[in-house]
Amino acid sequence: AQSVTQLDSQVPVFEEAPVELRCNYSSSVSVYLFWYVQYPNQGLQLLLKYLSGSTLVKGINGFEAEFNKSQTSFHLRKPSVHISDTAEYFCAVSEGTSGSRLTFGEGTQLTVNP
Amino acid sequence: DAGVIQSPRHEVTEMGQEVTLRCKPISGHNSLFWYRQTMMRGLELLIYFNNNVPIDDSGMPEDRFSAKMPNASFSTLKIQPSEPRDSAVYFCASSPPRTSGRFTYEQYFGPGTRLTVT
Repeated sequence: AQSVTQLDSQVPVFEEAPVELRCNYSSSVSVYLFWYVQYPNQGLQLLLKYLSGSTLVKGINGFEAEFNKSQTSFHLRKPSVHISDTAEYFCAVSEGTSGSRLTFGEGTQLTVNP
Repeated sequence: DAGVIQSPRHEVTEMGQEVTLRCKPISGHNSLFWYRQTMMRGLELLIYFNNNVPIDDSGMPEDRFSAKMPNASFSTLKIQPSEPRDSAVYFCASSPPRTSGRFTYEQYFGPGTRLTVT
């Protein structure tokens, strides 16, 4: 069975600082990986995804993530954050054989301070 | 395209009452997912449907919860009787068929229904 671990429940940073949100997964088969963002009082929206090909994927709002198969990680990064990036971020994995069923991590609350 | 539509957006009810949450998936999508989000337990998958058929309901908390999908454009999640511990935000999500050109393993989420049971 697959599982996802987000190593930090809360990440406070100052505006314009770089940030990395960590995600590790476990699975016995090939996986597809996702980062979703949830702004306050809203649903989840897709930030980026890795299906195949280049291990560095770029998403919306200047975010990117790198798939590392040997370390079973999919960390999310942004070189310079804005106040508007304050939100909860969820890492998710699909084993593909289960179609679009996703297993989500516990979430990381990113708070960007002025 | 309209996104996933959920109603009501907010629901306040008293313990013991029946609650029905509604979801309209994106047109052409054939998988539908119900999630519950709480501070304590995070985001939990309750049940998912494929082609209107429930595939996995192992996340449904107990018999007080039931979900139906009578057709491809509508699903309900019912709680009867409701309890204060059911207070949460309930999300519905949908995804397109694997055989469609739009399939990317992504789920598309609705705005959620915030349920408060007093």
